[in-house]
Amino acid sequence: DVKVTQSSRYLVKRTGEKVFLECVQDMDHENMFWYRQDPGLGLRLIYFSYDVKMKEKGDIPEGYSVSREKKERFSLILESASTNQTSMYLCASTRGSSPLHFGNGTRLTVT
Amino acid sequence: AQSVTQLDSQVPVFEEAPVELRCNYSSSVSVYLFWYVQYPNQGLQLLLKYLSGSTLVKGINGFEAEFNKSQTSFHLRKPSVHISDTAEYFCAVRRYGGSQGNLIFGKGTKLSVKP
Repeated sequence: DVKVTQSSRYLVKRTGEKVFLECVQDMDHENMFWYRQDPGLGLRLIYFSYDVKMKEKGDIPEGYSVSREKKERFSLILESASTNQTSMYLCASTRGSSPLHFGNGTRLTVT
Repeated sequence: AQSVTQLDSQVPVFEEAPVELRCNYSSSVSVYLFWYVQYPNQGLQLLLKYLSGSTLVKGINGFEAEFNKSQTSFHLRKPSVHISDTAEYFCAVRRYGGSQGNLIFGKGTKLSVKP
């Protein structure tokens, strides 16, 4: 069974801090994704990656960057956290055109 | 561009009653359609998908959905719900040939099943 693990369930950071959200998958999937989930807005794609060291912007990349140094790991970086980045962040992975497998999410609060 | 509209943000229903969660999409090209479920404090998991073929699709936990091309709808149904079906449900669309990065999600419908 595919496992997508997000390293933190809850995170509290201060405005201006650099924040790293980590995601690891154990099924050798080439595709990985970061979504943001907000009440009433559904899921919005921030960034995705089709291969190591490759990345593409999603619908809302502003204020975020990503890193994919190894196939199993996809990191989301908030260079300077702001309160409007308080949200639930979901990582997902897939191979080819198969459905997405999601992690359990990281709830980030920026104060 | 594709878009997805989930017509109800919240649906309360009593246990053992039938339920329908509505989803409409807009697209100028053919699409694939998905329903995902999110239980409290968890990520999303796939309920069912329509790729081609029969317009009635059966998924896990007794759910089914019907693809209606003329109405551009993909409504989710269950004939008798359980307390454990309480969750948020997301409809999603992807265009033919599109990558998973092109999955467009609706805003979600919270299903609340009461005893």
